[in-house]
This record gives sequence, structure tokens and C-alpha cells, in this order.
Amino acid sequence: DIDMTQSPSSLSASVGDRVTITCRASEYISRYLNWYQQKPGKAPKVLISAASSLESGVPSRFSGSGSGTDFTLTISSLQPEDFASYFCQQSYRAPFTFGPGTKVDVK
Amino acid sequence: QVQLQESGPGLVKPSETLSLTCTVSGGSVSSGSFYWTWIRQAPGKGLEWIGYMYDSGSTNYNPSLQSRVTISVDTSKNQFSLKLTSVTAADTAVYYCVRDRGDYGNHPFDYWGQGTLVAVS
Repeated sequence: DIDMTQSPSSLSASVGDRVTITCRASEYISRYLNWYQQKPGKAPKVLISAASSLESGVPSRFSGSGSGTDFTLTISSLQPEDFASYFCQQSYRAPFTFGPGTKVDVK
Repeated sequence: QVQLQESGPGLVKPSETLSLTCTVSGGSVSSGSFYWTWIRQAPGKGLEWIGYMYDSGSTNYNPSLQSRVTISVDTSKNQFSLKLTSVTAADTAVYYCVRDRGDYGNHPFDYWGQGTLVAVS
């Protein structure tokens, strides 16, 4: 299986902050990398697909970059509704695997 | 707007079979464009891909569960189902049914059910 790691595992931030989350794959996955946001008690929501493609309806303050093994999710100006957990997911090869998540909470 | 809704028992005894159904509205499980998927999340843990069905019959399962998992589809009811045999406490999780968009080789999960908690006890 392709192992996905994320850093940091958690971070504290304030509204308006720029937030960056990194995701690393244990092997080459091209750009087959998706990002999700999950709030407590809710299903995940896809934010970014194919490393950098913003999903319909997702605010432009979210962006993704990277290819190969290293990827980044950036929130340019954190909003109150962005406090949540974020997961990356590779779909280069089944079984599709997720990172362990990054929890963004209030500083 | 595509909607998915899981249904099934919330409590299963050890060694028995977990059975869940996902009812899809706003889209067809017969569509060859999508992969109808199950994902689970143990309490306080990360997400685990269980497997998918596509093209109304082909399947792909996580090798860690392959010997115990079956995903099937009922096109007449626009539903797909999950069966997991010989369950243990380690199978306690929130189970999500999900649509995988299958975009040019990438597999983003774009529609999710609300999730259903299944406890094994």
C-alpha cells in the first residue's frame, strides 16, 4: 500500500492566518492526490482534486500544489468555518489511502 | 443533486455479518462513469477505503478486507450494498457510502452519505 503522511498533525491558528498543510506519499503518485475537509460528526468534503484543481463551490482561498511525492494544501486567509480536520488521499493505485489528518483549531 | 443514504443495523454481534445498503438519488448506480464506494472511519481514527463497484458488476476491494467483503448493486432499486463477514470489535466504525467520480485516472470522492455508526458488540 502507498503510505500517506501529513504534517503537522495539528495546528492552532487565528482568523486571517495563512495556513499550510503538507502531505507526503511513500512513493511516486504523479498528481493523483485529493484533499478533503471534515468537520466533527460530518462526512468529509472534497476541496481539491488532482493536486491543484479546485472543486466546484469551494472558496478560492483554498489551493493545492505539488506532484510526485510532496503536496501542499494552503488556506490563504483562514475563515471561522475553516476550523476542521483536513485529509489527503492518493488514488494513484488501489487500495486508495488517506493521510492521518491535520486538525486546525483556534489559537 | 446527488444524494446517498446509508441504512442498516447499528449493532452487530462478533463473528456475524455486517450488512449495509446505500440508496442513491439524483444519479444512477448503472452509470458506467462512477465508482460506488464504501469507506469507513473508526472512532477518532482516520479514513479507510473498503472498496468499490463500477460498471454494475466489477469490483475492487482493499486487500486487507478482501476475504471478508462483498459490494453488490441492485439497479432496480438504485442501491448498492456492503457485506462484511466475521466481524470483530476492530470493525466498529462509521461507514460511509460514497461516489467516486473516476476522473481520467484520478479518484476523487465527490458525494458522501451522512455515515452510519456500526458497533460490533
